[in-house]
Amino acid sequence: DAGITQSPRHKVTETGTPVTLRCHQTENHRYMYWYRQDPGHGLRLIHYSYGVKDTDKGEVSDGYSVSRSKTEDFLLTLESATSSQTSVYFCAISEPRTSGTDTQYFGPGTRLTVL
Amino acid sequence: AQSVAQPEDQVNVAEGNPLTVKCTYSVSGNPYLFWYVQYPNRGLQFLLKYITGDNLVKGSYGFEAEFNKSQTSFHLKKPSALVSDSALYFCAVRDRELTGGGNKLTFGTGTQLKVEL
Repeated sequence: DAGITQSPRHKVTETGTPVTLRCHQTENHRYMYWYRQDPGHGLRLIHYSYGVKDTDKGEVSDGYSVSRSKTEDFLLTLESATSSQTSVYFCAISEPRTSGTDTQYFGPGTRLTVL
Repeated sequence: AQSVAQPEDQVNVAEGNPLTVKCTYSVSGNPYLFWYVQYPNRGLQFLLKYITGDNLVKGSYGFEAEFNKSQTSFHLKKPSALVSDSALYFCAVRDRELTGGGNKLTFGTGTQLKVEL
């Protein structure tokens, strides 16, 4: 978890409210990712960023948006939270494959409950 | 497309016995393969990876994994299990031939390892 923090670590919210999760890194890695972890599904990619202001969708992006205005921060927003978005959310970082150190490293996670 | 399967939801082993956690993969080209471990209420920790070269990869905490191209497998192994190895283990794959796409990984559904005294 070193070098990657996520906030908040726990959140309970109500259906229909907006929620923003923050990922902050001190490693200056170019790539950042948001995953959700659900029993029976493993980790599924929501969105990722390959540079400041450069983002793209993952396999489960519906209902989520992201922003990256600076290298160290990657925000995940649920515009109108639904109960199906109750999950544990993980941020990860990596360098480009060409750097030879392209392993993804994960943050500690945010447990989100939508009532 | 890339995919990975972990056929066992749970593996039970006695402390001191060897352990194996299975993983098979599917990619169009050649794979990069990874193993991660997750302890309760923690993020995923990187264990080891196969990029190219020697089929036997050694990683953290005494774990190793064997890449078998003909069987499209990358099983995680440890010669002597410890109770402290009890955790959730994830296998992940990326197709080496894919360019761009942010180095996306595809994860398996995870295998719960339980090591008992």
